[in-house]
Amino acid sequence: EVQLLESGGGFVQPGGSLRLSCAASGFTFSSYAMTWVRQAPGKGLEWVSIISGSGGTTYYADSVRGRFTISRDNSKNTLYLQMNSLRAEDTAVYYCAKAPIAVAGTGEFDYWGQGTLVTVSS
Amino acid sequence: QSVLTQPPSVSGAPGQRVTISCTGSSSNIGAGYDVHWYQQLPGTAPKLLIYGNRNRPSGVPDRFSGSKSGTSASLAITGLQAGDEADYYCQSYDSSLSGWVFGGGTKLTVL
Repeated sequence: EVQLLESGGGFVQPGGSLRLSCAASGFTFSSYAMTWVRQAPGKGLEWVSIISGSGGTTYYADSVRGRFTISRDNSKNTLYLQMNSLRAEDTAVYYCAKAPIAVAGTGEFDYWGQGTLVTVSS
Repeated sequence: QSVLTQPPSVSGAPGQRVTISCTGSSSNIGAGYDVHWYQQLPGTAPKLLIYGNRNRPSGVPDRFSGSKSGTSASLAITGLQAGDEADYYCQSYDSSLSGWVFGGGTKLTVL
């Protein structure tokens, strides 16, 4: 059974940093691209970033490029999102999700974690 | 403002059929990129409902179906049940943005 468990969320002041983790199990982690999607309180879904199975290819939404860094440790079956220079508008539940293929592709995300809340406020 | 446009809400009585539209443009749905649909029950994470325009993952009832034409796509739900009350999101890829895009979401109410 595929399981994705996010952690690392919390309260941070504007300009601060936070690192999210997503522990994966139930599948061969290195064989699949992984992504982060966020949802501001009461709002819709927003794609944030994606990384290929090997970790060699990454893409970012314009809203986070230059501030967020996605990475993965395939030996630990864990996905990360390093978030720097945080802004109030980054406040959201952050979900990690799995893609059905190894490359970033253009497709769907077939399994999602339960999410972790990041609150950016002074 | 979302790149993909969905109605904010739809409703229907138990047993009825409802459809949810998802309108894009020539840089996403109209460019040939597939449309996918997610169901988000209250207080839970999104769940993949339809992928590749019309395919259902294992375990998704055939009451849910998807279609795509031109720059738009639709999700149809037949035999509405109280448990279908949720937010539904469409998703595709946008070549101009070089990224994945979602609709704003549609809240389904079963009357």
